[in-house]
Amino acid sequence: QITLKESGPTLVKPTQTVTLTCTISGFSLTTGGAGVDWIRQPPGKALEWLALILWDGEKRYNPSLKSRLTITRDTSRNQVVLTMTNMDPLDTATYYCAHRHGYYDASGTDPTSPLDTWGQGTLVSVSS
Amino acid sequence: SYVLTQPPSVSVAPGQTARITCGGNNIGSKSVHWYQQKPGQAPVLVIYYDRDRPTGIPERFSGSDSANTATLTISRVEVGDEADYYCQVWDSSGSDPFYVFGPGTRVTVL
Repeated sequence: QITLKESGPTLVKPTQTVTLTCTISGFSLTTGGAGVDWIRQPPGKALEWLALILWDGEKRYNPSLKSRLTITRDTSRNQVVLTMTNMDPLDTATYYCAHRHGYYDASGTDPTSPLDTWGQGTLVSVSS
Repeated sequence: SYVLTQPPSVSVAPGQTARITCGGNNIGSKSVHWYQQKPGQAPVLVIYYDRDRPTGIPERFSGSDSANTATLTISRVEVGDEADYYCQVWDSSGSDPFYVFGPGTRVTVL
């Protein structure tokens, strides 16, 4: 059974950097085709995709937030970490991580694979 | 960047059919995924690659697409289907491909 759980601070101040951790179980971050995405959702608003990291280390970011985001993984701890700099009250949201598993071959991994399992989410509030 | 459009809300009586559209330029050429999100819960994948259904999702949920519109259809709607529904596509039009979500549609069961 695949599970993901997000953790991190519940409250950060404007301009600070936030580090969110996604702890996984039931799959390996290095299994061919596997990946973990981060998505956020401001209160009462729509989902917004942030970033992904694939089994081979490939990373992709939302272009509108790319300069502020860094996604990394610690395979020994089964964790994926998202760092977001220069936090603003508009970044107040529930942050989710999600599992994906897609087709892959020598030319790369299909990035269009669906997000089949999500964590419960963690609410991060940005306020002074 | 690629823009997806969805109606803000759809109302349907129990037992009837709800159709939720997702509009986008030439969306028929892209893979569309659909998610259901109930209040206070994480999203759940209900349709992937336009029309495939994950294990455990009722056959009442189906997907289809045409040139510029993808549609999620919920047949024989139940009260438990009340939720927000989001479509999602991979935008590969720019130099930095990324996932795009639609604005979401709230389904209300009357």
